[in-house]
Amino acid sequence: DGGITQSPKYLFRKEGQNVTLSCEQNLNHDAMYWYRQDPGQGLRLIYYSQIVNDFQKGDIAEGYSVSREKKESFPLTVTSAQKNPTAFYLCASSFVPGGKNTEAFFGQGTRLTVV
Amino acid sequence: AQTVTQSQPEMSVQEAETVTLSCTYDTSESDYYLFWYKQPPSRQMILVIRQEAYKQQNATENRFSVNFQKAAKSFSLKISDSQLGDAAMYFCAYRRDRDDKIIFGKGTRLHILP
Repeated sequence: DGGITQSPKYLFRKEGQNVTLSCEQNLNHDAMYWYRQDPGQGLRLIYYSQIVNDFQKGDIAEGYSVSREKKESFPLTVTSAQKNPTAFYLCASSFVPGGKNTEAFFGQGTRLTVV
Repeated sequence: AQTVTQSQPEMSVQEAETVTLSCTYDTSESDYYLFWYKQPPSRQMILVIRQEAYKQQNATENRFSVNFQKAAKSFSLKISDSQLGDAAMYFCAYRRDRDDKIIFGKGTRLHILP
């Protein structure tokens, strides 16, 4: 079945450690996104990528890094520079507009807890 | 910078009644797309409805319809015949055509009263 897979579902890390969240899609989508969700804050865009080997900062990129070496994969690294990393992280993908559906499809999310 | 504003943090509606969720956005772009997403307790994001800015006709999907006012930059969602399964967080989203950036509002939590 086609879809977006985020792993793991729950992740625990000690403060000061970097951690990488996985996101894989087999929908042949060009664009991929990372969002952070906190209570009362909605979804805030961290990074997005329209094409392999290219990505842009979103509204809250500080303390995060990404790579897009393959069309199917867009891993997010939460670095020790991120001051408050505990949150729910959502990955999404979509076609780029041009006759195809324009909505984003989402993974099931990763809950990161830093202790 | 683009912003999406949902001014109603929470709303309640009686089962079988109609409710309207508000969304306004700020942009200087002419080409963009608008969406409403539903997030139930499972936290899985589900597309409810989409609207292309170049289309004047308001989108409808069964019990869900939008009122798209481009000049006013308003994009409200109307849910008719509300059902218990409609209880969820609803997010309004804006997609910029020139670089595919998608941003979301803070959401409206909808309660359905039996």
